[in-house]
Amino acid sequence: KNQVEQSPQSLIILEGKNCTLQCNYTVSPFSNLRWYKQDTGRGPVSLTIMTFSENTKSNGRYTATLDADTKQSSLHITASQLSDSASYICVVSGDSYIPTFGRGTSLIVHP
Amino acid sequence: ETGVTQTPRHLVMGMTNKKSLKCEQHLGHNAMYWYKQSAKKPLELMFVYSLEERVENNSVPSRFSPECPNSSHLFLHLHTLQPEDSALYLCASSQDRGTGSEKLFFGSGTQLSVL
Repeated sequence: KNQVEQSPQSLIILEGKNCTLQCNYTVSPFSNLRWYKQDTGRGPVSLTIMTFSENTKSNGRYTATLDADTKQSSLHITASQLSDSASYICVVSGDSYIPTFGRGTSLIVHP
Repeated sequence: ETGVTQTPRHLVMGMTNKKSLKCEQHLGHNAMYWYKQSAKKPLELMFVYSLEERVENNSVPSRFSPECPNSSHLFLHLHTLQPEDSALYLCASSQDRGTGSEKLFFGSGTQLSVL
């Protein structure tokens, strides 16, 4: 069964600090992995997409990594800001028409 | 804004009511989706439309009835819902249906409460 597990479930950090969110998946075969950011009261917004051949991709202060051998991805946030407070969702696509969503990591950035 | 607009933002309904959720996308996309988001659970795909044709019905109860009159509009008709149907209902669109790995553009959702 295809599964996506995210950790931690929730995280509280101080403004300016860095943090790393984890995503482990069992989806096979693998097509791509996306990270979405969902602000409270809004729909998810795509941050980045990782394909099989990519190890690292950056989008501003967000850097995603992918290890296709161990089936792990991480999302690193540098110099966090209050606006980074949100839920971060990992989504993995394989050969099914239905992608597999993780439960998300809830990040709270305190001033 | 993502280019996907959902109305209403909030809805409270009794179990015997009939209501409809509306979604409109201004992106010229060919595929539209309904997702259900419950607390502490992953997003659940409900329905997929590609070029106004339903291509996926992910084992959704018949009390949820989708309608796609054209490629820009998507409705979700609700009747005789249960309290466990209370959730955030998200509409999304993508350029094409493809293989299921397309980038999704989500609306802000309708927060539904069934009493």
